[in-house]
Amino acid sequence: GAVVSQHPSRVICKSGTSVKIECRSLDFQATTMFWYRQFPKQSLMLMATSNEGSKATYEQGVEKDKFLINHASLTLSTLTVTSAHPEDSSFYICSARDQKERGFQETQYFGPGTRLLVL
Amino acid sequence: DQQVKQNSPSLSVQEGRISILNCDYTNSMFDYFLWYKKYPAEGPTFLISISSIKDKNEDGRFTVFLNKSAKHLSLHIVPSQPGDSAVYFCAASVVGNEKLTFGTGTRLTIIP
Repeated sequence: GAVVSQHPSRVICKSGTSVKIECRSLDFQATTMFWYRQFPKQSLMLMATSNEGSKATYEQGVEKDKFLINHASLTLSTLTVTSAHPEDSSFYICSARDQKERGFQETQYFGPGTRLLVL
Repeated sequence: DQQVKQNSPSLSVQEGRISILNCDYTNSMFDYFLWYKKYPAEGPTFLISISSIKDKNEDGRFTVFLNKSAKHLSLHIVPSQPGDSAVYFCAASVVGNEKLTFGTGTRLTIIP
């Protein structure tokens, strides 16, 4: 089956530093990737939609200058949390759509997530 | 504004019995609904979906029921097995729109 990996799985950083999270589709090509954030006991909230070769589309309330998304290839999207603060501590999870399966909602394949803790 | 709600954060069911997970939504534009299953340290995996033109979809031990008038859907698992212990997320979308709106999840524990 389709596999999506994320790296790192867990990261602890100091306030003010930047953190990069990678999302890779391992056995398929993904023209579209999605970035979600999940706070404890809350649902996965879509942050942005990342399209290969173009700018990401951010959801309302998500600061594009703080959460930089780059989707430079069909298998890799990165999320950089710039100048991280304790309130950015969360679980970040990506998903990817197989470009061969357009039109089917269920073919979002999720990564295992990255736990970010900002001290 | 939580448009998709799973009001039961946890549920325990005896092995072999039926597990019923519930989900409510408020946005009448939603017309496609999905259930995802998530194990610890793994990403959610797709389980079953239903379009608003149907009121039931069945796949093996899993059946999803949709009541559009009540804006309510439920996932039935029968018989429940220990491997079903996981967090289950309900998600909703509008057909043609890739965005998924998730509920907060229900942790299902199957008791041997």
